[in-house]
Amino acid sequence: KQEVTQIPAALSVPEGENLVLNCSFTDSAIYNLQWFRQDPGKGLTSLLLIQSSQREQTSGRLNASLDKSSGRSTLYIAASQPGDSATYLCAVKEGGGADGLTFGKGTHLIIQP
Amino acid sequence: DVKVTQSSRYLVKRTGEKVFLECVQDMDHENMFWYRQDPGLGLRLIYFSYDVKMKEKGDIPEGYSVSREKKERFSLILESASTNQTSMYLCASRVPGPHDEQFFGPGTRLTVL
Repeated sequence: KQEVTQIPAALSVPEGENLVLNCSFTDSAIYNLQWFRQDPGKGLTSLLLIQSSQREQTSGRLNASLDKSSGRSTLYIAASQPGDSATYLCAVKEGGGADGLTFGKGTHLIIQP
Repeated sequence: DVKVTQSSRYLVKRTGEKVFLECVQDMDHENMFWYRQDPGLGLRLIYFSYDVKMKEKGDIPEGYSVSREKKERFSLILESASTNQTSMYLCASRVPGPHDEQFFGPGTRLTVL
């Protein structure tokens, strides 16, 4: 059964720093991987989706990479801002059909002003 | 923009009550999903639907049922609510095709007393 792990569980850094969030998965036969952001008490906002054939995706200050063979993904946040404070979730999809996602438990990120 | 809405942000029910959670998406997506999110356990898939009147069990379907009578609406039903079903419930809709991204609603915080 696929398991997704996110390290660290929590992270606090000063504003302006670049940072990396890690995600690992046990079964490398994934269809895609998606990164989400969740603000307290709210739903999930999709940040980036990487297909299994891709190595990385970029959106603004965010860059997500995928190393499928080693079962790892990273989310790089450049020049962090207090507004980036949230929980970041990684999720994998294993099949190409209507399958649901398997989620990690998230990294709770605090950016100190 | 894709919009996924959920009928209630907060709901308080009593043990034994029948509870309906409603989800509506406005992008004609075929696939819809129900997850629950609990501290320490993350998001877990309850049920999903790949088309009207079609449903599949996810990882934790016990105590739940679903209904998909129209393409835009996916309902989660708790036949007899119990205190261990107190949770955040999140609905999602899937973009069909190779991009295959899931979009989430704002969530319903259900408390069962």
